[in-house]
Amino acid sequence: DSGVTQTPKHLITATGQRVTLRCSPRSGDLSVYWYQQSLDQGLQFLIQYYNGEERAKGNILERFSAQQFPDLHSELNLSSLELGDSALYFCASSVGQGEKTDTQYFGPGTRLTVL
Amino acid sequence: DAKTTQPPSMDCAEGRAANLPCNHSTISGNEYVYWYRQIHSQGPQYIIHGLKNNETNEMASLIITEDRKSSTLILPHATLRDTAVYYCIVRVHNNNDMRFGAGTRLTVKP
Repeated sequence: DSGVTQTPKHLITATGQRVTLRCSPRSGDLSVYWYQQSLDQGLQFLIQYYNGEERAKGNILERFSAQQFPDLHSELNLSSLELGDSALYFCASSVGQGEKTDTQYFGPGTRLTVL
Repeated sequence: DAKTTQPPSMDCAEGRAANLPCNHSTISGNEYVYWYRQIHSQGPQYIIHGLKNNETNEMASLIITEDRKSSTLILPHATLRDTAVYYCIVRVHNNNDMRFGAGTRLTVKP
């Protein structure tokens, strides 16, 4: 158990809908990262927040957005969902701002299925 | 960016040491090597990381060659629960994200 929690575990929805994934970082961690893992793309970095502020951005679609709240939990919002958005979504957290010595610990993931 | 090359799959007998290689010939002097594993569709699990010296923790040992162009992750006594995809990642300076490749699928057999 990494100490990172994600809800829900599974989510099934229809195309065009909007969903929100939630992540709580390990106690004391200030950074939260979101990753997407689909069958054909592997693990892809989406976005990072550090202490409430966006810190780094990866291959995140404009239909996706995220935020980190004062209590440091984070939410990933996915809108206008398409079939291709079906994937595992992982959240990770770390103590620092993401330096190369800042170890990231991953949560169990949310499996999103878009029908 | 320093890229990594890993064999797509490996087998190991239960109780034996599993040695997983990784090539990172374009690594820069201040870039760290990290290892994670992913068991079935669970979240990636941190194993170990290092810069130059060999490292050991309760899970594994990391051997980095003197020229730093390759490394080996060693699981000293593999068990069936070590069956997973193992990822070797070079942490690139100024990049906050982890760049996961295809990894090595390790299968531990009884």
